[in-house]
Amino acid sequence: GAVVSQHPSRVICKSGTSVKIECRSLDFQATTMFWYRQFPKQSLMLMATSNEGSKATYEQGVEKDKFLINHASLTLSTLTVTSAHPEDSSFYICSAETGNTEAFFGQGTRLTVV
Amino acid sequence: QKEVEQNSGPLSVPEGAIASLNCTYSDRGSQSFFWYRQYSGKSPELIMSIYSNGDKEDGRFTAQLNKASQYVSLLIRDSQPSDSATYLCAVNLRNDYKLSFGAGTTVTVRA
Repeated sequence: GAVVSQHPSRVICKSGTSVKIECRSLDFQATTMFWYRQFPKQSLMLMATSNEGSKATYEQGVEKDKFLINHASLTLSTLTVTSAHPEDSSFYICSAETGNTEAFFGQGTRLTVV
Repeated sequence: QKEVEQNSGPLSVPEGAIASLNCTYSDRGSQSFFWYRQYSGKSPELIMSIYSNGDKEDGRFTAQLNKASQYVSLLIRDSQPSDSATYLCAVNLRNDYKLSFGAGTTVTVRA
C-alpha cells in the first residue's frame, strides 16, 4: 500500500503552547488529506479535510482557529494545535487518499499536554 | 441511528477458528467499503477494500458485501494470535472521499 509518514510520533508540551504535526505522502501525491482524533477506546473522529491549495473543511464542533491546517503541497499537510490544553491530549492521525478511494494512515501522533 | 455500526464485541476466538465481524451502514448509496486493523497504540492499517456485491478474498481474509441489506462483513480464517486487534469498518458514505468509521470490534485470538 501507499506510504504516509507522520511526525512526530509522540510529543509532550506545556499547556498554552502550540504543537505542529506533519503528514507526508511519500510515494504518491495527495490532493486530499484527512485529520482524525482518537480518544482511548473510541473510534476515529474526523476533524477536518485538508485540501491542497485551499482552506481546510472542518467538521462540526471542531474549532478552526484552534486546529490550524495547512496543505501547502501535494505531499504535505500540517496540523497545528494552538494554545494546547490538557483536554487536547489525544492520538492524532492523518490519512491521505490515493485517488482510488483507498485511504492510508500515518503512524499517528500521541499528544500529551501537561 | 449511527451511520456505521459494528457488532460491539469483544470477540474471543480460539486459534485456528474463524472470526466473523459484521458491519451495517445507513446510506444506501454508499459505494466503497473498507476494513482496517488497528493494534493497540497504533494507527489503522488497511486490510481489505470492497466495492461490489459478493465476496472478496485476500489470504485468510474474506470481505462480504450486500448492498441491498446495507451490510458488510469480514471473516478471518485460521485465526492467529497476531490477528488480535481492533477491526474498524469504514464506509465512504457520501462518495466524497470522507470515511465514516464504526466503533470497532476488538478481537482476541486465544492460543
